[in-house]
Amino acid sequence: GAVVSQHPSWVICKSGTSVKIECRSLDFQATTMFWYRQFPKQSLMLMATSNEGSKATYEQGVEKDKFLINHASLTLSTLTVTSAHPEDSSFYICSARDRGGWSDTQYFGPGTRLTVL
Amino acid sequence: KNQVEQSPQSLIILEGKNCTLQCNYTVSPFSNLRWYKQDTGRGPVSLTIMTFSENTKSNGRYTATLDADTKQSSLHITASQLSDSASYICVVRPFTGTASKLTFGTGTRLQVTL
Repeated sequence: GAVVSQHPSWVICKSGTSVKIECRSLDFQATTMFWYRQFPKQSLMLMATSNEGSKATYEQGVEKDKFLINHASLTLSTLTVTSAHPEDSSFYICSARDRGGWSDTQYFGPGTRLTVL
Repeated sequence: KNQVEQSPQSLIILEGKNCTLQCNYTVSPFSNLRWYKQDTGRGPVSLTIMTFSENTKSNGRYTATLDADTKQSSLHITASQLSDSASYICVVRPFTGTASKLTFGTGTRLQVTL
């Protein structure tokens, strides 16, 4: 089946620093990728939708200047958390949409645990 | 507002027992409904997918059912194993064209014990 990878799997950083998370679709081309955030014991919350070659669409309440998204190719999207603060500590999950075949399917990455000290 | 509600919130069962998780949704019309398994600290993994015209779908020990009239779905796990301990999330895709966003349930946390 289709595979989506994320890197790093976990990261610890100091408050005020920026952190970049990569999301790759390994065996299919993803024109659309999604970034989610998940707090403990809560469901995934969509942060933004990223389309290859265009600006990302952010959900209400998500600061686009704080969460920078770049979708430079059909297999790679990056999320940069700028000037991270402890309240940004969360589990970040990306998802890539595969429009190939008969189904329009989203595959999820394994997630990145961000801890801001 | 489109919603997906799951019950119970959490469940503890003995290894080898069966269990059924419930999902009620208000998303309408919808394109498909999926059940995902999410292990702690991992991303969700798809178990089953059903379109509005399907009533049941099996994947090994997992069987999902769908009643589009009552807007209910269930996930039945047979002969549970310790490795089934995870969160199970019901996800509905609205039928609103190519930009439709997934609507996630809050999940059921299942713990299988000896």
